[in-house]
Amino acid sequence: ILNVEQSPQSLHVQEGDSTNFTCSFPSSNFYALHWYRWETAKSPEALFVMTLNGDEKKKGRISATLNTKEGYSYLYIKGSQPEDSATYLCASEPNNDMRFGAGTRLTVKP
Amino acid sequence: ETGVTQSPTHLIKTRGQQVTLRCSSQSGHNTVSWYQQALGQGPQFIFQYYREEENGRGNFPPRFSGLQFPNYSSELNVNALELDDSALYLCASSLGLAYRPLSTDTQYFGPGTRLTVL
Repeated sequence: ILNVEQSPQSLHVQEGDSTNFTCSFPSSNFYALHWYRWETAKSPEALFVMTLNGDEKKKGRISATLNTKEGYSYLYIKGSQPEDSATYLCASEPNNDMRFGAGTRLTVKP
Repeated sequence: ETGVTQSPTHLIKTRGQQVTLRCSSQSGHNTVSWYQQALGQGPQFIFQYYREEENGRGNFPPRFSGLQFPNYSSELNVNALELDDSALYLCASSLGLAYRPLSTDTQYFGPGTRLTVL
């Protein structure tokens, strides 16, 4: 993988559902993997910076895992709420060149 | 809110013109990165400045240039504007520390400048 790729592109869930997205990134020359939440009309907000293989980070109902050997990270949201509706971006820096995925747009319906 | 501000909010220019976008970093941050986000895509890295020196550059032509000032605010200049330069331009600041890679820093984004080139 040369670029950062995210799946799915969009996701619609009901309030209370748990959900997860995937970020795939180049595993060579790995430094860090960043996750951001970007709500409409606001600035992207940093969620996690992950650096070590096997890293797990948690912030409230949101958690993330990292596998640097195979080049993927999962973001989990437990018990989704309407306020979780946003685009979730991941970014990695192979060769000192910060690359973002296109994002996963999450919509949580009440 | 992150404390990172950008100006102007919106801008309309014509092809061939030059534009300057400005970014005021969060207090205490010495690193600023600029990104271009075209519709439907993720942000693309333009360049990064650390303590007034360019510290990395993405795949953008030389007509994209920047400056970082002693107070760590920053400018992005784009010469000879093309239609494809129409995008949202984001800046992000972070606190770079000498003992760790800048890529591991948490970045704080501004709200962006929407540039339209006609």
